[in-house]
Amino acid sequence: DAKTTQPPSMDCAEGRAANLPCNHSTISGNEYVYWYRQIHSQGPQYIIHGLKNNETNEMASLIITEDRKSSTLILPHATLRDTAVYYCIVRRRSNDYKLSFGAGTTVTVRA
Amino acid sequence: NAGVTQTPKFQVLKTGQSMTLQCAQDMNHNSMYWYRQDPGMGLRLIYYSASEGTTDKGEVPNGYNVSRLNKREFSLRLESAAPSQTSVYFCASSEAGQGLQPQHFGDGTRLSIL
Repeated sequence: DAKTTQPPSMDCAEGRAANLPCNHSTISGNEYVYWYRQIHSQGPQYIIHGLKNNETNEMASLIITEDRKSSTLILPHATLRDTAVYYCIVRRRSNDYKLSFGAGTTVTVRA
Repeated sequence: NAGVTQTPKFQVLKTGQSMTLQCAQDMNHNSMYWYRQDPGMGLRLIYYSASEGTTDKGEVPNGYNVSRLNKREFSLRLESAAPSQTSVYFCASSEAGQGLQPQHFGDGTRLSIL
């Protein structure tokens, strides 16, 4: 799976949009971009994934650049409960089931 | 909407004791997983079960055994606990799909071995 690079931390004001960048410049055409998060003392939580089109669900939006070398996770109206470590992962179809989380981005939402 | 349920949430063991961690999911998922998470090390896959009736080793299987009891339940057993197995253990499940289906996690079992 392609390597990803994320900023180590970022702050966001409550009620504002949080835009979390991820660089995956070596991504292959058959690799998907996934986002998970882990709130303190809880299990990781799946957020969203996509291949090349932008995706939206009840939690977030995923914007993937046309060349697919980077993506942005958007939390449209951040709340204090969105404070967590966010992980960007690239995966392709394989028999390797393990999820490998990097260091992620620690997002702190401030009132 | 329970999702993935793990029991117990906390446990303290003495070295050499045995214990089984329980996991159940109500999403009708085919695949189930056991991970451990140590401070600063991220998730490591212990065992997984791609479908009912099958189990396979992950990255760090030594010292553990698993049982896929039925489609819903996947248990992790420590036969002779060691201090190095002190960790937070997460169970996860997903639909089948060669690694592409999102994994849904429980809230973990915090295990301390003295």
